[in-house]
Amino acid sequence: RKEVEQDPGPFNVPEGATVAFNCTYSNSASQSFFWYRQDCRKEPKLLMSVYSSGNEDGRFTAQLNRASQYISLLIRDSKLSDSATYLCVVISGGGADGLTFGKGTHLIIQP
Amino acid sequence: DTAVSQTPKYLVTQMGNDKSIKCEQNLGHDTMYWYKQDSKKFLKIMFSYNNKELIINETVPNRFSPKSPDKAHLNLHINSLELGDSAVYFCASSEQGYYGYTFGSGTRLTVV
Repeated sequence: RKEVEQDPGPFNVPEGATVAFNCTYSNSASQSFFWYRQDCRKEPKLLMSVYSSGNEDGRFTAQLNRASQYISLLIRDSKLSDSATYLCVVISGGGADGLTFGKGTHLIIQP
Repeated sequence: DTAVSQTPKYLVTQMGNDKSIKCEQNLGHDTMYWYKQDSKKFLKIMFSYNNKELIINETVPNRFSPKSPDKAHLNLHINSLELGDSAVYFCASSEQGYYGYTFGSGTRLTVV
């Protein structure tokens, strides 16, 4: 079983719509969770951290469900510039162990 | 001023050659990493260095060797390159105990 699993998509969504995607992780001892964004031929960049209480950053809302071991990302009022691959990322153990990435969900916002 | 810089950006080389990719960070971070992103876009950690000590070493072929001359640099040497080594290699750094990673812009390696 893969450590971090995501639906690869692509998700084709009209501009202005709300889109949500999830990921699941296998290691129940995982401690930290993030969503990264990767544009085509670019490096991954941190979008937001994910907390059990849920957190919001503008149009983006992230949620963590430890009991079910899944993480979600909700994007409201989607923009063309939101088109990218969204990577679910988990840290197990200390931060020096590095990041475990999901394969990413490809999102395409259509005009 | 680039925080994590890696060179070269593109590298095309023949099978069997030996090549190096350089990485430098000016963030004062304690830990540096090399990640590989294969053709299926899957990002996986290869190595990390913390204060010049190798602290994780994933099951990568021993043809790959990280070299850290100082805290700000982590270079990746690859011997006897194979076709399957073609990928994008990302350098990254993080502050110990802090989960904010900064990635370099990547080196696209093509082995022909």
